[in-house]
Amino acid sequence: RKEVEQDPGPFNVPEGATVAFNCTYSNSASQSFFWYRQDCRKEPKLLMSVYSSGNEDGRFTAQLNRASQYISLLIRDSKLSDSATYLCVVNARLNTGFQKLVFGTGTRLLVSP
Amino acid sequence: GAVVSQHPSRVICKSGTSVKIECRSLDFQATTMFWYRQFPKQSLMLMATSNEGSKATYEQGVEKDKFLINHASLTLSTLTVTSAHPEDSSFYICSAGNLADGKSTDTQYFGPGTRLTVL
Repeated sequence: RKEVEQDPGPFNVPEGATVAFNCTYSNSASQSFFWYRQDCRKEPKLLMSVYSSGNEDGRFTAQLNRASQYISLLIRDSKLSDSATYLCVVNARLNTGFQKLVFGTGTRLLVSP
Repeated sequence: GAVVSQHPSRVICKSGTSVKIECRSLDFQATTMFWYRQFPKQSLMLMATSNEGSKATYEQGVEKDKFLINHASLTLSTLTVTSAHPEDSSFYICSAGNLADGKSTDTQYFGPGTRLTVL
């Protein structure tokens, strides 16, 4: 079983649509959770951290369910510029005190006019 | 946010040659740097973690003698792919972070990546 699993998509949606991505992780000891965005042939960029209480940043809402080891990302009012691959990322703590990031394979989103 | 650069951005080489990729933190001191590899349509996979002044820690399945990592200063880490073969063709990305004043930060800053093609 992969450490972080995502539906690869692609999700094809029209502008203005609401779209939701899901992710599950296997390491119950994970303590930090993130959504990254990766554009084609570019490095990943942090979109938002995910907290147990749920958090929102503009059109983006992230939720975490620790009991189910499940993370979600909701994008409202999709824009063309939202087209990208969205990576679910969890941490595993190294003995140096730093964290190792474990990436899902990503879910591809295509927003059309 | 912090800036991390990588050089070169793209390299094409012949099979059997060695390729060096540099990762620099431009405006902060990176106590730890991470090297990732991403094959097409796959996730980023951590190859190794390097701490300044010490040997790198490699992930399972990554050959340390093939992927040489040097983290000689707080702003520079290098990855050398020795005797490269076509199956080493991939997108190599570094990230840098800083453990400052004993506080752990969860933030890693990613470089723009290096696309390696081995012919």
